[in-house]
Amino acid sequence: AQSVTQLDSHVSVSEGTPVLLRCNYSSSYSPSLFWYVQHPNKGLQLLLKYTSAATLVKGINGFEAEFKKSETSFHLTKPSAHMSDAAEYFCVVSDDYNKLIFGAGTRLAVHP
Amino acid sequence: GAVVSQHPSWVICKSGTSVKIECRSLDFQATTMFWYRQFPKQSLMLMATSNEGSKATYEQGVEKDKFLINHASLTLSTLTVTSAHPEDSSFYICSAKTGGYYGYTFGSGTRLTVV
Repeated sequence: AQSVTQLDSHVSVSEGTPVLLRCNYSSSYSPSLFWYVQHPNKGLQLLLKYTSAATLVKGINGFEAEFKKSETSFHLTKPSAHMSDAAEYFCVVSDDYNKLIFGAGTRLAVHP
Repeated sequence: GAVVSQHPSWVICKSGTSVKIECRSLDFQATTMFWYRQFPKQSLMLMATSNEGSKATYEQGVEKDKFLINHASLTLSTLTVTSAHPEDSSFYICSAKTGGYYGYTFGSGTRLTVV
């Protein structure tokens, strides 16, 4: 069965410094992987997704993630954090493209 | 891009009453929709998968008679919380399978508070 582990429940960075949100997955098949962002009391917005094409995936707002099969990881990065990046981030896996399995989430705080 | 409209965005109801939440696909036909529940500071848990014209498929542990899902058209799915209790208070989010790059589009969520 597929599963997702987000290694950090909270990450705090200073504005202008790099962001790293870690995600490991478990899947019996070649997975589709997603990163979503959720602002308070809002729905989810897709940042990026991996579907067996290029292993380095670029998303919106300067985010990118690298799929590493050998490490079963799909970490999310951004070179320079902005105050508006403060939100909850979810790593998600889907094996059959019908059901999404969410990680527990990582709350990103950005300090001036 | 594909847009899913969910309303109401928040609702307060009394214990024992029923509440209906609507999820509409505005510019595409959604044959499959999903309903999630999110407790404070927790992740999203899939409650059920809704297919147009057929019965919803519920995840293990989700009460079918309490959370009624109807997907009568290609643009509308509804979730009715029947005989609501305070423990049903939560954030409910719908999602539609859109295909293409996005794959899925999410509604903005409904904050349900049962008093």
